[in-house]
Amino acid sequence: GAVVSQHPSRVICKSGTSVKIECRSLDFQATTMFWYRQFPKQSLMLMATSNEGSKATYEQGVEKDKFLINHASLTLSTLTVTSAHPEDSSFYICSARDGDFRGELFFGEGSRLTVL
Amino acid sequence: EDQVTQSPEALRLQEGESSSLNCSYTVSGLRGLFWYRQDPGKGPEFLFTLYSAGEEKEKERLKATLTKKESFLHITAPKPEDSATYLCAVQALFSGGYNKLIFGAGTRLAVHP
Repeated sequence: GAVVSQHPSRVICKSGTSVKIECRSLDFQATTMFWYRQFPKQSLMLMATSNEGSKATYEQGVEKDKFLINHASLTLSTLTVTSAHPEDSSFYICSARDGDFRGELFFGEGSRLTVL
Repeated sequence: EDQVTQSPEALRLQEGESSSLNCSYTVSGLRGLFWYRQDPGKGPEFLFTLYSAGEEKEKERLKATLTKKESFLHITAPKPEDSATYLCAVQALFSGGYNKLIFGAGTRLAVHP
């Protein structure tokens, strides 16, 4: 099946710094990728939809300037957490769709962010 | 409001004890219902997609079914390696665009030898 790679898997940073997380579709082209956030024992919350070559669509309540999303190619989307604070500590997961809206949605392995 | 509710929140089974997980949904214009398995600290692993009421899909000990209001994930003779959180998600037509998935909170399954 299709593979979505996410990097890094774990990152620890100091408060005030910025952290970039990469999401790559390894064996298919994804015009749309999705970024989710997951708190312990809770479900996935969609943060934004990343569209190749255009601006990302953010969900209500998600700060655009805080969570910068760039989808520069059909196989790569990045999420940058700017000026990170301890409350940004979470599990961030990306996903990509293989094909149109009926295509399967594959997830990356997730990135655990800890902000000290 | 579009909503996905999974029950039970947690389920403990003995090895070989079959059971079912429930996912009920209220969305306007269902475009698909997805089941995923998630292990701790990992991203969700795709299991099934169901598109219309009456549809069923099977994979090893798992069988997913769909009605107009809910979906069931049946686990037959589970093994300890089936222990995981099972997530249900629906793709809705009018929830900000049909590419958006709405996830339930998940069912944490523990299968004991």
